[in-house]
Amino acid sequence: DAGITQSPRHKVTETGTPVTLRCHQTENHRYMYWYRQDPGHGLRLIHYSYGVKDTDKGEVSDGYSVSRSKTEDFLLTLESATSSQTSVYFCAISVGLAGKVGELFFGEGSRLTVL
Amino acid sequence: AQSVTQLDSQVPVFEEAPVELRCNYSSSVSVYLFWYVQYPNQGLQLLLKYLSGSTLVKGINGFEAEFNKSQTSFHLRKPSVHISDTAEYFCAVTITHSGGSYIPTFGRGTSLIVHP
Repeated sequence: DAGITQSPRHKVTETGTPVTLRCHQTENHRYMYWYRQDPGHGLRLIHYSYGVKDTDKGEVSDGYSVSRSKTEDFLLTLESATSSQTSVYFCAISVGLAGKVGELFFGEGSRLTVL
Repeated sequence: AQSVTQLDSQVPVFEEAPVELRCNYSSSVSVYLFWYVQYPNQGLQLLLKYLSGSTLVKGINGFEAEFNKSQTSFHLRKPSVHISDTAEYFCAVTITHSGGSYIPTFGRGTSLIVHP
């Protein structure tokens, strides 16, 4: 089974501070994703990666950046956190058929509160 | 642009009653379809998927869904629900993104509330 670890699981920070969320997978899955979940909006894609150093923007990428220097790690950074970025963040990997159907395995989520 | 519509934001139902959660998508190309379930304070987990073949797919916990290409729908059903089925359910669709990446798009979710 695929394993994903997100850290931190909970974080409270202040407006204007930088925040980095980490997603670590235990297998060599190529595709990794960061989503945010907000009431009434479902899951919205922030950024995704299709390989080491290969990333692209999703529908709500403003205010976020990502990096993937190793296959197993996908980092999401909020350069200067704002209250609108208070959310639950989920990392996911695409499993099955070399990741080419979008079947996702999710981490447990990181709850971020920006005061 | 690809979109997924879950027609009901909340579905209340009594225990042992049947339930249907509706999902429609907009795409004129081949798609892969998924339903995920999220229990309180947990991540999402796959309930079932349609990739190809039979249009009726069965998943975990007694759920099933039917792919209807002409109506671009993928409704989720269960003949008899339990209290433990209370959760948030998400429909998702994948099409090929530019450059060959595979990007799942999610609906806004349906909250299934099972009453005793």
